[in-house]
Amino acid sequence: EAQVTQNPRYLITVTGKKLTVTCSQNMNHEYMSWYRQDPGLGLRQIYYSMNVEVTDKGDVPEGYKVSRKEKRNFPLILESPSPNQTSLYFCASSLAAQETQYFGPGTRLLVL
Amino acid sequence: QQQVKQSPQSLIVQKGGISIINCAYENTAFDYFPWYQQFPGKGPALLIAIRPDVSEKKEGRFTISFNKSAKQFSLHIMDSQPGDSATYFCAAYLDSNYQLIWGAGTKLIIKP
Repeated sequence: EAQVTQNPRYLITVTGKKLTVTCSQNMNHEYMSWYRQDPGLGLRQIYYSMNVEVTDKGDVPEGYKVSRKEKRNFPLILESPSPNQTSLYFCASSLAAQETQYFGPGTRLLVL
Repeated sequence: QQQVKQSPQSLIVQKGGISIINCAYENTAFDYFPWYQQFPGKGPALLIAIRPDVSEKKEGRFTISFNKSAKQFSLHIMDSQPGDSATYFCAAYLDSNYQLIWGAGTKLIIKP
C-alpha cells in the first residue's frame, strides 16, 4: 500500500530533551515536507526537500532540523524542544513540488 | 503578499444545501490552487485543484470557481452530505520557492 508513515503518533516530552520524529514514504517521491498544524493557523511549512540533494527552510524553521540522507526518509529533529513547539506535525510527500501531496497520519507532540 | 486568506472559519449547512468556502490571495505569482480535505485524526488529502488559466473546474459535487482579476477562488459543494463534514483548506503554490501556502482552514458541519 502506497503510504507515508510517521512515528511516533503521540509524544509527550519535557523542555530541552532532544527528539526525532521519523517520516518514511514508499512511493519513490522526490519532494518531502514537514508541516505543523495549529488551531486557527492552518498548516505552516517547517522544512521541505526537493530531492536528496536539496533541502530548504519553510515558513517556520526555527528550532527544527531535518536530514534527507535517502529518498524515502525525512526525519524531523527537535534538538531542544520548547513548549511553543507543542503542535500536530504532518509529513507529506509528492512526485514533485507542485504535484499532489500525500500526508502521513500526523504526530501529536506535547512539550511540558 | 505570501498569505492566503480563507473564510469563513466555520460553516454549518443543512443536508442537501450548498456549502461555499472562499479564499483570497495577493501574490499574482501563485500558479496552482489546490483544495485539501481533512477528517478528524487524519492528514489532509487533495480534493480538487485549479490553475489560473481556468475559471472553473468541476469534479462531481465539488466545484472550484476562480476569479483571476479579483484574486479570489472558492469551493462550492453541491448537495452537501453529512459525510462532507470535515475541515477544508485552500492553498496556493509559489513556483519561485517551491512552497505551498495554506489558508487557515474552514470547519464544515453538514446537519442531517
